[in-house]
Amino acid sequence: DVKVTQSSRYLVKRTGEKVFLECVQDMDHENMFWYRQDPGLGLRLIYFSYDVKMKEKGDIPEGYSVSREKKERFSLILESASTNQTSMYLCASSFQTGVSTEAFFGQGTRLTVV
Amino acid sequence: SQQGEEDPQALSIQEGENATMNCSYKTSINNLQWYRQNSGRGLVHLILIRSNEREKHSGRLRVTLDTSKKSSSLLITASRAADTASYFCATDRRNTGGFKTIFGAGTRLFVKA
Repeated sequence: DVKVTQSSRYLVKRTGEKVFLECVQDMDHENMFWYRQDPGLGLRLIYFSYDVKMKEKGDIPEGYSVSREKKERFSLILESASTNQTSMYLCASSFQTGVSTEAFFGQGTRLTVV
Repeated sequence: SQQGEEDPQALSIQEGENATMNCSYKTSINNLQWYRQNSGRGLVHLILIRSNEREKHSGRLRVTLDTSKKSSSLLITASRAADTASYFCATDRRNTGGFKTIFGAGTRLFVKA
């Protein structure tokens, strides 16, 4: 069974803190994604990585950065957390086959910034 | 910007009825996928249909794809209370490193027992 594991289910942080969200997958997937999900807006892509140390901006990268030092791990960093970053964050991974393929998701991290 | 948009936004039906959800997208695609999300959880992949396919079945699920209209539909037959969830369509968008998977806002389905 493919497993995508996010480090926390719930997180509460203060405004201005640096926040790290970690995601680990065990299927040797090349692609990893970070999305945020807000009511009525669906999932919006923050960043995407297709290989170690490679990253691409998604639709809403402002205020976020990412790190992929190892193939199985993709970290999302909020440089200085703000209240408008309160959201559900979802990590996903998939194989890189030249076309899009099934993505496997973690259970999500509900982040509250106070 | 969202690639796929689902409608309706919400759907409430009785157990045993069929549920149909629609998805429209803007640019050409290679694949279209449907996912399900139970409340507060991650998404689970349901079915993938390729751009050269018109219809696909998986158990009680039937997906159609009309590339000329840039639209897809997901039909769940003989719905059950356990089908209550949000359903998302996802399309691909090519970028430097391959394909990104882009999701719509979803349809919330409520099946009454």
